[in-house]
Amino acid sequence: QKEVEQDPGPLSVPEGAIVSLNCTYSNSAFQYFMWYRQYSRKGPELLMYTYSSGNKEDGRFTAQVDKSSKYISLFIRDSQPSDSATYLCAMRVNAGGTSYGKLTFGQGTILTVHP
Amino acid sequence: DTGVSQNPRHKITKRGQNVTFRCDPISEHNRLYWYRQTLGQGPEFLTYFQNEAQLEKSRLLSDRFSAERPKGSFSTLEIQRTEQGDSAMYLCASSTYDEGALCFGPGTRLLVL
Repeated sequence: QKEVEQDPGPLSVPEGAIVSLNCTYSNSAFQYFMWYRQYSRKGPELLMYTYSSGNKEDGRFTAQVDKSSKYISLFIRDSQPSDSATYLCAMRVNAGGTSYGKLTFGQGTILTVHP
Repeated sequence: DTGVSQNPRHKITKRGQNVTFRCDPISEHNRLYWYRQTLGQGPEFLTYFQNEAQLEKSRLLSDRFSAERPKGSFSTLEIQRTEQGDSAMYLCASSTYDEGALCFGPGTRLLVL
């Protein structure tokens, strides 16, 4: 069983829809949670970065973390065709030092927003 | 452009050949990471440098793989005696000491024939 599970989709929605992307994880030591967006044949780019449980909003994007359920979500409001990409969840422990940047990624969810 | 850069962007090689990739991190970032991503999967951690010191290596990094970061600036990743299973996107990322968020480069796509 993988440490981080993410439904690969693909997910297809009409423009303007609300999109919900989710990941579950098994390692209770994870404390930092991120969402990356990756366009085809490009490197991942950071969308959201959160620490521990709670919500964080940035424009059309909202990240939620529920540590008790080991479940994180990314919501995209008013989705646009330019949001079409693969969305990767990532997380890491708070060990500091050598584990600082060692991220564990989900498989990625392929999202298509059609006009 | 002050982002992470990687060269080459694409590499096709024959099985058994050696290949070397280069990563130039964001200049003020002292931490540098290599990840590998295969089709339909998320990136997997390979190794990590703080300045010039290689502090952690994944079990994925067999003895055919070697990474260096001389003088704590750019980094190289060499794969010796390539195998078809090495075909993947090799991603470099960098960060500052105080941040957990990584900035990724565009990747080097390797195809081993």
